[in-house]
Order: sequence, then C-alpha cells, then structure tokens
Amino acid sequence: DAKTTQPPSMDCAEGRAANLPCNHSTISGNEYVYWYRQIHSQGPQYIIHGLKNNETNEMASLIITEDRKSSTLILPHATLRDTAVYYCIVRGYGGATNKLIFGTGTLLAVQP
Amino acid sequence: KAGVTQTPRYLIKTRGQQVTLSCSPISGHRSVSWYQQTPGQGLQFLFEYFSETQRNKGNFPGRFSGRQFSNSRSEMNVSTLELGDSALYLCASSAGGQGLSYEQYFGPGTRLTVT
Repeated sequence: DAKTTQPPSMDCAEGRAANLPCNHSTISGNEYVYWYRQIHSQGPQYIIHGLKNNETNEMASLIITEDRKSSTLILPHATLRDTAVYYCIVRGYGGATNKLIFGTGTLLAVQP
Repeated sequence: KAGVTQTPRYLIKTRGQQVTLSCSPISGHRSVSWYQQTPGQGLQFLFEYFSETQRNKGNFPGRFSGRQFSNSRSEMNVSTLELGDSALYLCASSAGGQGLSYEQYFGPGTRLTVT
C-alpha cells in the first residue's frame, strides 16, 4: 500500500504558484520523498526527490517539514501544461529494487 | 539521449490469446520495471529486471511474465488474456544498482485492449 496521502484534486490559476501537499506520517529515516506527475495518457515523469532538506530544480521546489511527516511540491508559475496527476511517493534509499508504489495522486487542474 | 521506447503503442487482442510487449530502456540503463495502469486499480508494479535477473515482483498471477536481454531491452508477456488485462502497460528504466536512489524514466506505454 502507498505510504502517502494526497488530496484528490486541486485547482490553480495560470501563472500562480501551485502548492501540492503530501502527508507521509509513517516515513522512516532512510526513506526519500519522490514526486512524479502524469499528464493524460502519457507515462509518469520524474519531478524531484528529497530526504530532509528542501530541494529545488528547474521544474519545482520540494519543501519537507522538519519532522519529515509531510511535504509540499511547489510549481512556482503554473501553466496549462502543468495540468496532470501528481504522485507523492515514499521510497527507501538503497536496497535492491527500484520499485515505486503509487497512490491515487492529486489531479491538478490549471485554469486559464 | 533517446528516451524509453515501447512497442507496440496500441494493441487489440481477444480473450484467451497471449501478447508480448517490448521495452527499450535509455542507453546505459540496466534496470527495467513494468507497471500496469487501470482506472480501477491505478498504477501497479508488475516486476523489475536488473542485468537480466528479476529482482522484484508484484502481486500478479503467473500469466504475467517478463525477461530482460543482455542489451537491457525487456519484454513482458501475458498469456491467456482476460478482459481485466485491458490496461496501459508502462515500462520504466533507471540506472539501477544498489546503494543509490535512482529516478526512473517512463516510456509512453502500450495500450492493450482485450475483447
């Protein structure tokens, strides 16, 4: 079972920041938080991942709370092309598998 | 670098038939994973191969099988197709290995319809 809880849907106005929350209260010390997104009928796309520090790349920022029980993915200036299902995934570091356990994700609808 | 490619992109089969799907990972990637996506069950992990060895398997019946070749290309096979096997089958590749957390890159998927 997925170890994360996300709201089923969110709306965001184009050009505004989209803040997508994720709860992972049972995360353990060696587990990372990953974010992927899936645009309709395409394969999921990796966005960002982090352990405990905030992370930023060209796509998004990831803010992880100090107790690591929740995180927020931030798309700084959402565009219509950011409309997708966003998945927050908790995954162990190292180990002998790349298996991802997807939950139901958040459908982000960016409105013009 | 070319991305992950999957063939065919669309497939229609009849119940009872078998099907083989193919995945070519990103050059240099040694790990290939397969996922099934349906409206009812979402994205579910099927299996993962690394250096021609299956190293993890999801909770699917034995009708679902796979293999990986020495060039890292992978195939999955579904025998005795059922209507419920209609789904988008996704392949993901990563650099693999142990001790490091690698992001995965997904292909566009194969849409299988069983009639």
